[in-house]
Amino acid sequence: GQNIDQPTEMTATEGAIVQINCTYQTSGFNGLFWYQQHAGEAPTFLSYNVLDGLEEKGRFSSFLSRSKGYSYLLLKELQMKDSASYLCAVRDLGYSTLTFGKGTMLLVSP
Amino acid sequence: SQTIHQWPATLVQPVGSPLSLECTVEGTSNPNLYWYRQAAGRGLQLLFYSVGIGQISSEVPQNLSASRPQDRQFILSSKKLLLSDSGFYLCAWSVEVDNEQFFGPGTRLTVL
Repeated sequence: GQNIDQPTEMTATEGAIVQINCTYQTSGFNGLFWYQQHAGEAPTFLSYNVLDGLEEKGRFSSFLSRSKGYSYLLLKELQMKDSASYLCAVRDLGYSTLTFGKGTMLLVSP
Repeated sequence: SQTIHQWPATLVQPVGSPLSLECTVEGTSNPNLYWYRQAAGRGLQLLFYSVGIGQISSEVPQNLSASRPQDRQFILSSKKLLLSDSGFYLCAWSVEVDNEQFFGPGTRLTVL
C-alpha cells in the first residue's frame, strides 16, 4: 500500500517563496506527481519526477529523493492566484494507478 | 487536442435513489479511465479504473459500480445512494504508457 503525508495548510505572502513537502511510504514506486486544485475545480497537472533531483518549470520546481521517500514542490514569486490546494501523488509499479495525499492548502496573502 | 467531459455538474439526490454519472473523453483512443471521489477533509480516493472496454478494476468496496460500454465512455452508478456517497466525483484519463492523469470538471453530488 501507499501512505502519503503532506502538511494540511500553509500561508505565505505575495512575492515570496514557499516549499511544500511530501513524504511517502510505498510498497512500490514508479513516479511522483504534483497537482494544483483551486476550490471547487478539478486538479491540474504541475510536475512529474521519477528520478532523483530537481525538475524546474517556470515558477514551479519539484524535487525528489527516492532513498528518503521525500519530495517537495517549490513555488517562487508567489501570486494571489497560487492560493490553492497542492496534491502529491505516487504512482505504483503496476503503472495503473495513482495514490493521492490529502493535499496542502496554500493561502497567499497580500 | 483531448478533452474530457462530465455530467451533470451538480446533483442533489435523496438517500436510496439510483445514480448515474457519465464521463466521456474526446481526441484520444484506448485511454486509461479513472473514477475518483473527493469528500470534505479527505484526499482524492480512487474508486475504479479501466484499461479497456469492459475491463473494470475496483479499488475499494462500496455500493458503487462502474462500466465502460465504449472506448471513451466511463459510467459510475449506484442502485441505492447512501449519505456517505456525497462528494466531488472526478473522472480522469491517461494514455496507455504515460500515467500523467487529466481530470474532468467533476460532479458535485449531495445526498440528502
